[in-house]
Amino acid sequence: QKEVEQNSGPLSVPEGAIASLNCTYSDRGSQSFFWYRQYSGKSPELIMSIYSNGDKEDGRFTAQLNKASQYVSLLIRDSQPSDSATYLCAVNAGRNTPLVFGKGTRLSVIA
Amino acid sequence: DGGITQSPKYLFRKEGQNVTLSCEQNLNHDAMYWYRQDPGQGLRLIYYSQIVNDFQKGDIAEGYSVSREKKESFPLTVTSAQKNPTAFYLCASSMRDLGRDTQYFGPGTRLTVL
Repeated sequence: QKEVEQNSGPLSVPEGAIASLNCTYSDRGSQSFFWYRQYSGKSPELIMSIYSNGDKEDGRFTAQLNKASQYVSLLIRDSQPSDSATYLCAVNAGRNTPLVFGKGTRLSVIA
Repeated sequence: DGGITQSPKYLFRKEGQNVTLSCEQNLNHDAMYWYRQDPGQGLRLIYYSQIVNDFQKGDIAEGYSVSREKKESFPLTVTSAQKNPTAFYLCASSMRDLGRDTQYFGPGTRLTVL
C-alpha cells in the first residue's frame, strides 16, 4: 500500500512568518508531487506541482523535493490569515496510476 | 467558463435509498475520478475512469457504482449497500496520465443520510 504521510497539525504561525509543511512518501519510484489547499467546506485547489529534485518557487510559495530522502515540503513566506486552510500533499503511486493523497496538515495563521 | 460542475451541492438520503451524484466537465479531460472525504480525513478514491465506457475501482468502491457513457460525464451512484454514506464527495478530472497530470476538483456534493 502506497503511503503519503503528513503531520495533521494544527500548525500555528504568526502573520508574516514562514510556514513549513512537510510530507513523506513510501514509494521510491514516485515521480509527480502536488500540493493542494483546501478551505473548510470547500474543494481542494492546486497550489503547485513539482517533478524534479530541488526547489520550485511561485510567488510566496516554494515547493522543495528530495527524492533520496522521500520527502516534499511546501514553504509559505509572509504567511497571511487567508492562508489558514488544510494543505494536502499528493504523490503518484506508479506509472499511470491515480494520485495518493495524504490526510493533510491544518495551518492556522494568527493575526 | 471551463470547469467541473457537481450537483446537487447538498443531498439528503433516507436509509435504503439509492442516490446519484452528477459530475460534468468541459475541460476536454480524458480521466475522471470520484473521491470521498470524511471530517478530518484525507481523500479516498472510490472509482476512476481514463476513457469512455471503462472505469476502475479505487480503494473504497464497495457500495458505489459509476458509468462513463460520455467523456464529459461521470455520475456516481451511492447504493443502499453503502453502510455509512454520509460524507463530502468530490469529483475530479485530469488529462490522460493519471499520475503525472494535474487533477482539478469540482465544488463537491455533501451527502447526508437521515
